[in-house]
Amino acid sequence: KQEVTQIPAALSVPEGENLVLNCSFTDSAIYNLQWFRQDPGKGLTSLLLIQSSQREQTSGRLNASLDKSSGRSTLYIAASQPGDSATYLCAVVRGQGAQKLVFGQGTRLTINP
Amino acid sequence: GEEVAQTPKHLVRGEGQKAKLYCAPIKGHSYVFWYQQVLKNEFKFLISFQNENVFDETGMPKERFSAKCLPNSPCSLEIQATKLEDSAVYFCASSPHPADTQYFGPGTRLTVL
Repeated sequence: KQEVTQIPAALSVPEGENLVLNCSFTDSAIYNLQWFRQDPGKGLTSLLLIQSSQREQTSGRLNASLDKSSGRSTLYIAASQPGDSATYLCAVVRGQGAQKLVFGQGTRLTINP
Repeated sequence: GEEVAQTPKHLVRGEGQKAKLYCAPIKGHSYVFWYQQVLKNEFKFLISFQNENVFDETGMPKERFSAKCLPNSPCSLEIQATKLEDSAVYFCASSPHPADTQYFGPGTRLTVL
């Protein structure tokens, strides 16, 4: 059974800092991995999707890496801003087809002005 | 539409009553997923569809939960005889291709009293 873990559960940093969020998964036979953000009381916003054949994806100040063999992904946020405050979730898909996402518990990020 | 739409936004039911939730996927997306979020960040997969066909229903408590995606109609998730533990936010997501990015709706908050 696939299990996804995110560390830390919560993180608070001053504005402007670069930071890394971690995600690990127990079964390396994944098809892809997605990073989402969730604002309080809102739905999920997709940030990045990394296919299993890829090592990293970038979007603006965000960079996500994937190391399938070690079962790890990181989300790097450069020059953090107060608007980045949210809960960040990673989720993996095991195979092709309409496959379910298996989510981690999330990291609650607070950026202090 | 360009966003996943979910109705209603909030739903309150007495224990034992029926609840029905609706989801309109993004136009052109063939894959629909339902997830249940309890305890803030714990996401549980319920069911997925490829067009009107059930793809994976391993997460569904079948004795009380049912779901449909019929042509030219919003998808629906119905809970017969709700229980207190059904209180959660129910998210619908859609995807254009198998194992592609899943786009989430804003969710329906179900409160069972």
